[in-house]
Amino acid sequence: EPEVTQTPSHQVTQMGQEVILRCVPISNHLYFYWYRQILGQKVEFLVSFYNNEISEKSEIFDDQFSVERPDGSNFTLKIRSTKLEDSAMYFCASSDTGTYEAFFGQGTRLTVV
Amino acid sequence: GEDVEQSLFLSVREGDSSVINCTYTDSSSTYLYWYKQEPGAGLQLLTYIFSNMDMKQDQRLTVLLNKKDKHLSLRIADTQTGDSAIYFCAESMDSNYQLIWGAGTKLIIKP
Repeated sequence: EPEVTQTPSHQVTQMGQEVILRCVPISNHLYFYWYRQILGQKVEFLVSFYNNEISEKSEIFDDQFSVERPDGSNFTLKIRSTKLEDSAMYFCASSDTGTYEAFFGQGTRLTVV
Repeated sequence: GEDVEQSLFLSVREGDSSVINCTYTDSSSTYLYWYKQEPGAGLQLLTYIFSNMDMKQDQRLTVLLNKKDKHLSLRIADTQTGDSAIYFCAESMDSNYQLIWGAGTKLIIKP
């Protein structure tokens, strides 16, 4: 069964460093999303991406964040100058056109120290 | 702002039915979802319901929507140990998957 894969599963980075979280969406999907879940808090929407551009973003998704689809398979989330409060589980998801079902990856746990 | 609320824990005996409840505040919610997260795994979509529906059934799962009270429930019939997980309720106004999530209900199965 096709699945969304995320790498790495756990990343530790020093405060102020840049990190790139990687996702491989399901191959024929056209919509891509990033969510995050800070420990003990609710899952929060960050951004949706379609046709090589951001279609929606939340207030959380400020200039520190960027997304990119550098090739036909990867979808990345870049966090510049990481802060302690960026520590969270980051989930990538993808969906096909005309469906209401998004498939999620297993998440990348980002720890900023 | 919009909010989705769930109880944090539910404990049921194996073989009984589980009913997980969720309330939401946004009356313009159009799509309502239930996701399951097993330990160490991602978020798995279980089912969804449109706001113009009252009920949706899929094998052991029954979703009930009371739009007037903004209340959503997920019933799992004949609960098994494999149903142990955290169940998230989520809603959105449109199909762009800008979901508002509940905190999740941890379903504990007693033998």
